[in-house]
Amino acid sequence: AQKITQTQPGMFVQEKEAVTLDCTYDTSDQSYGLFWYKQPSSGEMIFLIYQGSYDEQNATEGRYSLNFQKARKSANLVISASQLGDSAMYFCAMRAYLFLSNDYKLSFGAGTTVTVRA
Amino acid sequence: DAGVIQSPRHEVTEMGQEVTLRCKPISGHNSLFWYRQTMMRGLELLIYFNNNVPIDDSGMPEDRFSAKMPNASFSTLKIQPSEPRDSAVYFCASRELIAGGDEQFFGPGTRLTVL
Repeated sequence: AQKITQTQPGMFVQEKEAVTLDCTYDTSDQSYGLFWYKQPSSGEMIFLIYQGSYDEQNATEGRYSLNFQKARKSANLVISASQLGDSAMYFCAMRAYLFLSNDYKLSFGAGTTVTVRA
Repeated sequence: DAGVIQSPRHEVTEMGQEVTLRCKPISGHNSLFWYRQTMMRGLELLIYFNNNVPIDDSGMPEDRFSAKMPNASFSTLKIQPSEPRDSAVYFCASRELIAGGDEQFFGPGTRLTVL
């Protein structure tokens, strides 16, 4: 069974500084995908970034980058130059393979709350 | 593009009442997911559909929960009878089912309170 672990329930970061959110995973699949979603206080889930297990380079999307260390089974999210609008909960998720339906579903971690201070 | 639409955004009901949550996926998307989010259990997948067909309903907590997708543009999640422990935020998400397509787009959620 796949498992996603986010060990940091909450973090504070100073505006304009970088912050790293930890995510480790456990899977026996050879091919998998890792996602990060942002959930602001308004409640919606916003897709941020995706990393495939066979991607050789770490994914980047603007100020978001994913530090993918396959051997350690970690997929940490780095937010550079934090802004007040980055205050939210962040979820790491992994694509889990469903054998019977030959399809995938997402399994989510517990989330990390980030508060950006001015 | 309107995104995934959910209604109602908030629902307060009394224990024992029937609750129906609605979702309209993004046009052209052929996979639809229902999630439940609580403080205790985080974000859980309840059920998902591909091309209107339920594929995996192993996350549906019990028989009081049922979901339908009568056509490609509409789905419902029904709880009958509702209980206080069903209080949660229910998200609907949709995805375009293509090779390598994994990104799910979430709706704004329905916050359900069962008194």
